[in-house]
Amino acid sequence: AQKITQTQPGMFVQEKEAVTLDCTYDTSDPSYGLFWYKQPSSGEMIFLIYQGSYDQQNATEGRYSLNFQKARKSANLVISASQLGDSAMYFCAMRLNRGSGNTGKLIFGQGTTLQVKP
Amino acid sequence: DAGVTQSPTHLIKTRGQQVTLRCSPKSGHDTVSWYQQALGQGPQFIFQYYEEEERQRGNFPDRFSGHQFPNYSSELNVNALLLGDSALYLCASSRPGVSMDYGYTFGSGTRLTVV
Repeated sequence: AQKITQTQPGMFVQEKEAVTLDCTYDTSDPSYGLFWYKQPSSGEMIFLIYQGSYDQQNATEGRYSLNFQKARKSANLVISASQLGDSAMYFCAMRLNRGSGNTGKLIFGQGTTLQVKP
Repeated sequence: DAGVTQSPTHLIKTRGQQVTLRCSPKSGHDTVSWYQQALGQGPQFIFQYYEEEERQRGNFPDRFSGHQFPNYSSELNVNALLLGDSALYLCASSRPGVSMDYGYTFGSGTRLTVV
């Protein structure tokens, strides 16, 4: 069964330092996409970064990068130069390729709460 | 460019009642998905609507139903509310024609409390 696992319920990081949030996934489908979302207390899911299963290079978006290790089925998010505004809940999610009745639903992990200390 | 709009933002209902939540997708998006997020948990997929039909459904009972209108907006209906239905309900819109893209846009959600 498809599953996303985030083993860090909570993380602390000092402002301006880098932090890595862990994510492992499980699927036998060769074609999938991996996402990271940020959810502040307001509730909205904010898209951060995307990695396709066939992408050769790790995705980067500004201060966010995704450490994609396909053989280990891991897709860790790295936030560089943490800011106070980065304090939020972070979710890793997977989407299987369309086909076989799948329309692209997202499967989410349990999330990691990140707190940035001044 | 307006994003996804959900209403109401908060709602309190009594057990056994029925509730309707509403979602307007982002401009240019024609597919709407609904997710339930219990406190401290990740969102769980409820169902997805495209061309006014339910295309895929998650593991939710028939008490959860939906509708999509010709203007692509959508409603989520929950009948016979249970205490366990208390959650944040998120709506996400997308364009199905773009494969494996990251074109999901989420609303801020409706927080439903069942008492």
